[in-house]
Amino acid sequence: DVVMTQTPVSLSVAIGQPASISCKSSQSLVGTSGKTYLNWLLQRPGQSPKRLIYLVSKLDSGIPDRFSGSGSETDFTLKISRVEADDLGVYYCLQGTHFPLTFGSGTKLEIK
Amino acid sequence: QVQLKESGPVLVQASETLSLTCTVSGFSLTNYGVIWVRQPPGKGLEWMGIIWRNGNTDYNSALKSRLSINRDTSKSQVFLKMNSLQTDDTAIYYCTRDEGPYWGQGVMVTVSS
Repeated sequence: DVVMTQTPVSLSVAIGQPASISCKSSQSLVGTSGKTYLNWLLQRPGQSPKRLIYLVSKLDSGIPDRFSGSGSETDFTLKISRVEADDLGVYYCLQGTHFPLTFGSGTKLEIK
Repeated sequence: QVQLKESGPVLVQASETLSLTCTVSGFSLTNYGVIWVRQPPGKGLEWMGIIWRNGNTDYNSALKSRLSINRDTSKSQVFLKMNSLQTDDTAIYYCTRDEGPYWGQGVMVTVSS
């Protein structure tokens, strides 16, 4: 199975400051189609996960452009340009290229 | 409006079989697949399996011997069955569509010894 290694485990960020989360995969996530199936999700306390980004860098509808995704092959990053209070929760990366799909272990974002 | 909703028992005895239903609306099961994901309390997310739009299934190899996913397209329902439950199967069970950012609210299942 593809192992998704997320860092840091937790992050404390002041409102208005940037945040960055890394996700590294044990294998290339480039699929046979040439697409890279790497998603980022946010799980707010007591809620279901919510997808923010798919195909490395495409924002889901309604997701503010403070969020951005980048990376390729095995190395990916989620950036929040200016953290807001509503951003707190646990962020997960998810690879959808290889079966079984696998998640990163999560990064907990706290507001300082 | 796309919606998914999980339902099923909240308490199951160890060694018994878990049966959950995911009822979907706003799309057809013949056009999209449905995935099951679970999350033990305070822990991360685990992909369990998928039933594709054509009815084929794929399972997490760690669960494959105990897990089956089926559907009734006429009722827009997907069914998860997992046997030989143990206490570490206690988790929130979610269903999610294979394309797009659509997740159910989840159902908390406790396995009691």
